Amino acid sequence: SAVISQKPSRDICQRGTSLTIQCQVDSQVTMMFWYRQQPGQSLTLIATANQGSEATYESGFVIDKFPISRPNLTFSTLTVSNMSPEDSSIYLCSVDGGPHLGTDTQYFGPGTRLTVL
Amino acid sequence: AQKVTQAQTEISVVEKEDVTLDCVYETRDTTYYLFWYKQPPSGELVFLIRRNSFDEQNEISGRYSWNFQKSTSSFNFTITASQVVDSAVYFCALSESTSGTYKYIFGTGTRLKVLA
Repeated sequence: SAVISQKPSRDICQRGTSLTIQCQVDSQVTMMFWYRQQPGQSLTLIATANQGSEATYESGFVIDKFPISRPNLTFSTLTVSNMSPEDSSIYLCSVDGGPHLGTDTQYFGPGTRLTVL
Repeated sequence: AQKVTQAQTEISVVEKEDVTLDCVYETRDTTYYLFWYKQPPSGELVFLIRRNSFDEQNEISGRYSWNFQKSTSSFNFTITASQVVDSAVYFCALSESTSGTYKYIFGTGTRLKVLA
């Protein structure tokens, strides 16, 4: 599978600030996704990061709060804006398996553990 | 609406016991995929298996086996001779194609604790 890295791996932030999380893949992929996993909960899809166009957001998530960039086929960023303690979560990016492993299967990065004070 | 139910919130077993994790899904589509992922304490999601809706053959991979039954909309996962390293949260997921993009619906996860 693709090697996926995320930066930072964890951070502690103050209320009202913003944090940008980076996701880097070692090969070109078609689809990249961003998920949120609140403490002790399951994963919820935030948005699909589209290369060269705006991200597609799921119900309950908006671009102003979670702006996403996807400048090329190997890189994406997610910004968590104007943070509050409720944003404390693990944020994970995922990519599809591409033509070799299957576009229907997603592989996940190691996650970014965010704590907002 | 699509839905994935993992009724077992937490399971504790003693090392070397067999354990089965249940997954029940709901979908209206005839074409879909089912997955199992493992999330160890480190937090990373590890892909374990994918099964498409047309393939009901059971699969065995080492100590892991999966039982897919469309008649009961279930995709259960069994670990044989469990080990402490199997301790993790296990997620079942359903994927359907929407406008050419596969979106996942995750279950709530089952936390497995294997005691030495």
